[in-house]
Amino acid sequence: EDKVVQSPLSLVVHEGDTVTLNCSYEVTNFRSLLWYKQEKKAPTFLFMLTSSGIEKKSGRLSSILDKKELSSILNITATQTGDSAIYLCAVIQGAQKLVFGQGTRLTINP
Amino acid sequence: DAGVIQSPRHEVTEMGQEVTLRCKPISGHDYLFWYRQTMMRGLELLIYFNNNVPIDDSGMPEDRFSAKMPNASFSTLKIQPSEPRDSAVYFCASSLGTFKETQYFGPGTRLLVL
Repeated sequence: EDKVVQSPLSLVVHEGDTVTLNCSYEVTNFRSLLWYKQEKKAPTFLFMLTSSGIEKKSGRLSSILDKKELSSILNITATQTGDSAIYLCAVIQGAQKLVFGQGTRLTINP
Repeated sequence: DAGVIQSPRHEVTEMGQEVTLRCKPISGHDYLFWYRQTMMRGLELLIYFNNNVPIDDSGMPEDRFSAKMPNASFSTLKIQPSEPRDSAVYFCASSLGTFKETQYFGPGTRLLVL
């Protein structure tokens, strides 16, 4: 059975800290891995990773895929309270079927 | 672009009633997805369409759930009869073609079945 596992499930840090969120997967016919940020409403897209070892960066957020280890990490540096959200990892397998992890709930305290 | 549009945004109904959720994908997107999100199970893919044709409905929980896409700009997810355990947020998402394109989510419909 295809599965995506995220860790930790919950994380509380202070503003300014750096956090690393983990995502591991076991899926058939892996295509790509996506990271989403979900605040109160719908998930919003952060990154799509298809190639191993190539870091994608957007401001204070960055992510990298390791196909050998079947995993990805999402880093957030100099965290701000606005980074508080649920971060979802999802894997595209086959022809556009997304399998989601359970999410990491990140809380940034001032 | 208006993004993916879903209606209603909130729905409260009684057990046994029929519920119909609606979605308008982003114009030009040829894939449409229905998801359900609950605290217990997280986000689950229910069904997806390509060019209005259902491709994979293996995530549909049971026969009480059905989805249609009569044209490229409209889809419905129907629950009949509804049960309290169907209470969840239902998201519709659309994407443009290949797996290299990401999915864009609608705002969701929050369903409460009493």
